[in-house]
Amino acid sequence: GQNIDQPTEMTATEGAIVQINCTYQTSGFNGLFWYQQHAGEAPTFLSYNVLDGLEEKGRFSSFLSRSKGYSYLLLKELQMKDSASYLCAVKDSNYQLIWGAGTKLIIKP
Amino acid sequence: GAVVSQHPSWVICKSGTSVKIECRSLDFQATTMFWYRQFPKQSLMLMATSNEGSKATYEQGVEKDKFLINHASLTLSTLTVTSAHPEDSSFYICSARDAGGDGSPLHFGNGTRLTVT
Repeated sequence: GQNIDQPTEMTATEGAIVQINCTYQTSGFNGLFWYQQHAGEAPTFLSYNVLDGLEEKGRFSSFLSRSKGYSYLLLKELQMKDSASYLCAVKDSNYQLIWGAGTKLIIKP
Repeated sequence: GAVVSQHPSWVICKSGTSVKIECRSLDFQATTMFWYRQFPKQSLMLMATSNEGSKATYEQGVEKDKFLINHASLTLSTLTVTSAHPEDSSFYICSARDAGGDGSPLHFGNGTRLTVT
C-alpha cells in the first residue's frame, strides 16, 4: 500500500528553527509537495521537489532524497503565525496525490 | 496568482436536505478539479476528480449518487451532497491545478464547513 509518515505534532520556540520530516512509500514518484494549513482553512502551497536536493524559498526550505523516500521541511526564524499544520503530499506513478496526515506545529513565545 | 473561489464558506442544513457547493477558478481554466473532505484532525481525503465535460471519477468508498459532481465549464465545478446526514458533516475543499505542468501546485478554495443537524 501507499503510505506517508509525518510526526503528528511538534513544538518549537519563536525565532528558532524546526525541521519537519516526511517519509513515503508509494507506487512510483512524480514529485513531493509541502502545504501549510491553518486551522479551519484550506491548504496553501509551500514547495515542490522532484529532484534530490534542497529548495530554498525565504524562511522555508524543502529537501528531498528519492533513494531514501525522505523529505523534510525546514522553517527558520519561526514566527507565531507559523503555527499551523504542515502537509506532505507525494504524486505517485499515476500522478495521484497521496497525502500525509499532517504535522501540527505549535510555536511558543 | 491562480485563485480558486469556493462558496459557501459554511452551511448548516437539516438531515435529509441537499446542499450544493460551488468551486470556481477565477483567473485560469481548470479542466480538472478535485474535491476533498477533511474530518477534524485528519488529513485530506480525495473524494472525486471532476473533469470538464465528462463524468467525475470517484474514489473507492465514495457514493457517486450521494455526492453529485457537475463540471459544466472550464471554471466551475459543483458538489451536491444529497440527502445529507449528520455523518456528512465535514470540511469540504475543492482544488484545481493550472496549466503549469506536473510541478504546478494545487490551488485550493477556502473550503466549506458543512454541519448537518
